[in-house]
Amino acid sequence: DIQMTQSPSSLSASVGDRVTITCRASQNISNYLNWYQQKPGKAPKLLIYVASSLQGGVPSRFSGSGSGTDFTLTISSLQPEDFATYYCQQSYSTPPWTFGQGTKVEIK
Amino acid sequence: VQLVESGGGVVQPGRPLRLSCAASGFTFGSYGMHWVRQAPGKGLEWVAVISYDGSNKYYADSVKGRFTISRDNSKNTLYLQMNSLRPEDTALYYCTTPKGTQLWLQSFDYWGQGTLVTVSS
Repeated sequence: DIQMTQSPSSLSASVGDRVTITCRASQNISNYLNWYQQKPGKAPKLLIYVASSLQGGVPSRFSGSGSGTDFTLTISSLQPEDFATYYCQQSYSTPPWTFGQGTKVEIK
Repeated sequence: VQLVESGGGVVQPGRPLRLSCAASGFTFGSYGMHWVRQAPGKGLEWVAVISYDGSNKYYADSVKGRFTISRDNSKNTLYLQMNSLRPEDTALYYCTTPKGTQLWLQSFDYWGQGTLVTVSS
């Protein structure tokens, strides 16, 4: 199974900050890497698929990059509604579909 | 698109439980469907997937042999039969659709609100 490792596990940031979250796969997953946002008490929401494609309705301050084993989610200017937990997921070598452990973005 | 899970509750270890996911707003019978779970305060874990016609099913090792995924396309409903439940199965269970009609390489596009399963004596 492919293991997904996110860093950091949590971070504190201020509104307006540029935030970067990293996800590393244990083996090559091409660009089949997806990012989800989850707010407390809510279901996950797809933000980015195939590494860099923005899901419809997602603000353009979110962007994704990477291929192979190393990927990045960037929030260019953090907004109050962006405080949440973010998960990466690989959909290349399945089953199983595997997720990272999550990165919690908190208010500084 | 709307996905509404139901059937969760408190159940004793070793007992069975069946979850349902009622789907609407899309052509249910054309899409594979997944179950994903989240233990309290923990991350996301994929549980099972079923192809559009029910002919192919795959499971996480943690539930293989105990859980069965199925669907009724005439009722636009997905199911998860959970047998021999363990305390470690305690989680919020979500049903989710892949982005496209193919089973492979897809992200998870739409999610239900989840149904909570608590396994405790």
